[in-house]
Amino acid sequence: GESVGLHLPTLSVQEGDNSIINCAYSNSASDYFIWYKQESGKGPQFIIDIRSNMDKRQGQRVTVLLNKTVKHLSLQIAATQPGDSAVYFCAENYQGGSEKLVFGKGTKLTVNP
Amino acid sequence: GAGVSQSPSNKVTEKGKDVELRCDPISGHTALYWYRQSLGQGLEFLIYFQGNSAPDKSGLPSDRFSAERTGGSVSTLTIQRTQQEDSAVYLCASNGQMNTEAFFGQGTRLTVV
Repeated sequence: GESVGLHLPTLSVQEGDNSIINCAYSNSASDYFIWYKQESGKGPQFIIDIRSNMDKRQGQRVTVLLNKTVKHLSLQIAATQPGDSAVYFCAENYQGGSEKLVFGKGTKLTVNP
Repeated sequence: GAGVSQSPSNKVTEKGKDVELRCDPISGHTALYWYRQSLGQGLEFLIYFQGNSAPDKSGLPSDRFSAERTGGSVSTLTIQRTQQEDSAVYLCASNGQMNTEAFFGQGTRLTVV
């Protein structure tokens, strides 16, 4: 589910499967990236981050991959659970003008029991 | 609590009225962001404050929108002469240093009728 257009792309998976959510970032100079999870009616919450000197980082059931050559991030969720259903956003620490956190469009993940 | 606090949580206003949305960041955080999120869509950057630097206002959609941050802490987002297209959730986030996660509030849901 790469983020394009105004409305959120969606990804549906079966419980127990692995999920992969993709994100294209905009600035080759960006040096820090974050994945956020947003549940309905709540603010985004931090999942995992990665710095530009790394290409992979693992957390609990989640892995972030960074490909700087093509400016691409992915979030892998292992053994997806119904509680993982949410909207997932990537963010880059954008270097240009003022340094600030800029978000991608987001992907809506639905986990089917 | 110790998180980012936004008020009010919900605001219904008549078209043409002015509204003020408040954000209390985490104590000691120097950076503060405002984002807008329309239903089913991504996070639209509005404005960014970093310490005593001039704010980055590049995301404000029109001159009806303005924001202040008094004493480097509390911020107020003001929308003048509200329009129906201003209806959205307004999210505030803060972080303490560059290249770290930003923490979000729960947002203010604004409805213009």
